[in-house]
Amino acid sequence: GAVVSQHPSWVICKSGTSVKIECRSLDFQATTMFWYRQFPKQSLMLMATSNEGSKATYEQGVEKDKFLINHASLTLSTLTVTSAHPEDSSFYICSARDYFGTTGLVGRGEQFFGPGTRLTVL
Amino acid sequence: GDSVTQMEGPVTLSEEAFLTINCTYTATGYPSLFWYVQYPGEGLQLLLKATKADDKGSNKGFEATYRKETTSFHLEKGSVQVSDSAVYFCALRTGSGGGADGLTFGKGTHLIIQP
Repeated sequence: GAVVSQHPSWVICKSGTSVKIECRSLDFQATTMFWYRQFPKQSLMLMATSNEGSKATYEQGVEKDKFLINHASLTLSTLTVTSAHPEDSSFYICSARDYFGTTGLVGRGEQFFGPGTRLTVL
Repeated sequence: GDSVTQMEGPVTLSEEAFLTINCTYTATGYPSLFWYVQYPGEGLQLLLKATKADDKGSNKGFEATYRKETTSFHLEKGSVQVSDSAVYFCALRTGSGGGADGLTFGKGTHLIIQP
């Protein structure tokens, strides 16, 4: 249990185009999902918190108009990088919070992570 | 703001050696503390956690004790195996729930265990 998938696993796009990344909780419901960004040899940086059925909460310094987040259901959140530029190239990781404890007592309330999406903007 | 500092790697050990990966933190309030592990090609997995001072988290032979007086959460294992080779992340969470509980991560420590 507690599997989170991301699609695509890697994507290459041209500068100025938009890219959508999907994050799915496969075997549990997630009222809250998180989006992180990881630079090479750096820690994961929280970008935004995505709540099902409401607007995302962005961390300071993250452009909400550039990184559009939609959390339309209890198992799916999407991150769209709009008008991507080379500086947006990074590893994007999502996590889903097992609020209801579907994964068991140890997992209740904790975050389970997807494998990440490597974005390269040319 | 909140921050996590962990020893930088790579850390290279022989099989059956004793492991310690240091982690210290700075946070407001009373954070929960975590260790995550990332095996090659996979997502981060929760290894263990502790939610209050003096709690000890343990899993798969790994242990870490929440030390409030030294603001530390060092990861230890008595006898490592080749299969423990991975990147280990120390993290904290200060939110009490709802949407305000994103994690703050350290930079990660790459552990390499040699046969």
